[in-house]
Amino acid sequence: ETGVTQTPRHLVMGMTNKKSLKCEQHLGHNAMYWYKQSAKKPLELMFVYNFKEQTENNSVPSRFSPECPNSSHLFLHLHTLQPEDSALYLCASSQEGTSGTGELFFGEGSRLTVL
Amino acid sequence: GNSVTQMEGPVTLSEEAFLTINCTYTATGYPSLFWYVQYPGEGLQLLLKATKADDKGSNKGFEATYRKETTSFHLEKGSVQVSDSAVYFCAPRTGTYKYIFGTGTRLKVLA
Repeated sequence: ETGVTQTPRHLVMGMTNKKSLKCEQHLGHNAMYWYKQSAKKPLELMFVYNFKEQTENNSVPSRFSPECPNSSHLFLHLHTLQPEDSALYLCASSQEGTSGTGELFFGEGSRLTVL
Repeated sequence: GNSVTQMEGPVTLSEEAFLTINCTYTATGYPSLFWYVQYPGEGLQLLLKATKADDKGSNKGFEATYRKETTSFHLEKGSVQVSDSAVYFCAPRTGTYKYIFGTGTRLKVLA
């Protein structure tokens, strides 16, 4: 148990569907992240939020839409995805600033398959 | 640009063998260095870290030393176990929110 919970663990969707991934952290951290993990590719940072404010957006296609309603919850809304978007989506959190170590705490991931 | 290089693997060892996973990086400034491990079906978790030159990080029998002159952070363990089978990521941290991750090195330990 890392203190970061992701749901669902597995998701299968068609290219015309709309779905959402959810992440919740119970660590009191001030930063939350979405990473994409694809086979044989480097772990790819998608978005970073600090205290609900988006601080990083690494040229992610608009079919991925993040939402951070508060510092404990992070969503990734998915719509009109492509088969190449099939991957493991990892949520992470960290404590940044003078009070933090910057260590990343990851959830177990949401395995997405786009048909 | 910033990058990290480690063998992709799989690295296959017998139980009790010695493990070395090499990691070299290119980064501006003076990064902190981390090793994360991903066990099957799980997310990544911190294995060890070092924040300045010549620091040695250690945990669970694994060690790595921050070598600034060679920009390296090689991971070692004297005697691996089947339970060490996982994917290992060397990850320099170059700033707030900024980690460099590669593809990781898959380790398989056979009984």
